[in-house]
Amino acid sequence: GAGVSQSPRYKVTKRGQDVTLRCDPISSHATLYWYQQALGQGPEFLTYFNYEAQPDKSGLPSDRFSAERPEGSISTLTIQRTEQRDSAMYRCASSLAEADTQYFGPGTRLTVL
Amino acid sequence: AQKITQTQPGMFVQEKEAVTLDCTYDTSDQSYGLFWYKQPSSGEMIFLIYQGSYDEQNATEGRYSLNFQKARKSANLVISASQLGDSAMYFCACGGFTGGGNKLTFGTGTQLKVEL
Repeated sequence: GAGVSQSPRYKVTKRGQDVTLRCDPISSHATLYWYQQALGQGPEFLTYFNYEAQPDKSGLPSDRFSAERPEGSISTLTIQRTEQRDSAMYRCASSLAEADTQYFGPGTRLTVL
Repeated sequence: AQKITQTQPGMFVQEKEAVTLDCTYDTSDQSYGLFWYKQPSSGEMIFLIYQGSYDEQNATEGRYSLNFQKARKSANLVISASQLGDSAMYFCACGGFTGGGNKLTFGTGTQLKVEL
């Protein structure tokens, strides 16, 4: 596609529910990143994929967070048993290869009540 | 690991003037990249400019230039001829190339307001 797309753009959920966020990267981009951005802060790295491989998930805050990219294209980020502290903007970015510039999607604003 | 420091939480500049947004970094990587992103009030993250640690020339992209001083570990963004549309939050980021991947570490941002 022309740019990185994410869905939904906004998600409101109740504490304890599971949520799944989706990212569709720029076509032909091998590398995909997930970041979490709290209000008033810069994005923080969560995990990344090179095609379908996930070499680094060191930024995932807990085992409630998981991500996958089974066919090396679209990726999902799942948060199980959501907590209020999970409320944030979740951003996806893609790049042509690992060392290249990352282009960000519009983000998903998650609110956990 | 990287650390980015942006010491200016807010900046004001008059339209048509130049403005410099400060960024200092600390990294243990020998090879790394420095990036600037713009985040307008709409919330998107827009890539502006990139500087590689081994690039000898300072990067320029239109009205944006990056004043890279490696010895001082600074990567300041210069915006020339400011426009009202430049009002936004600006983030400096660093990514290391030696460990696989290019996970970016961001600063806390500088909120720029361009005034008439």
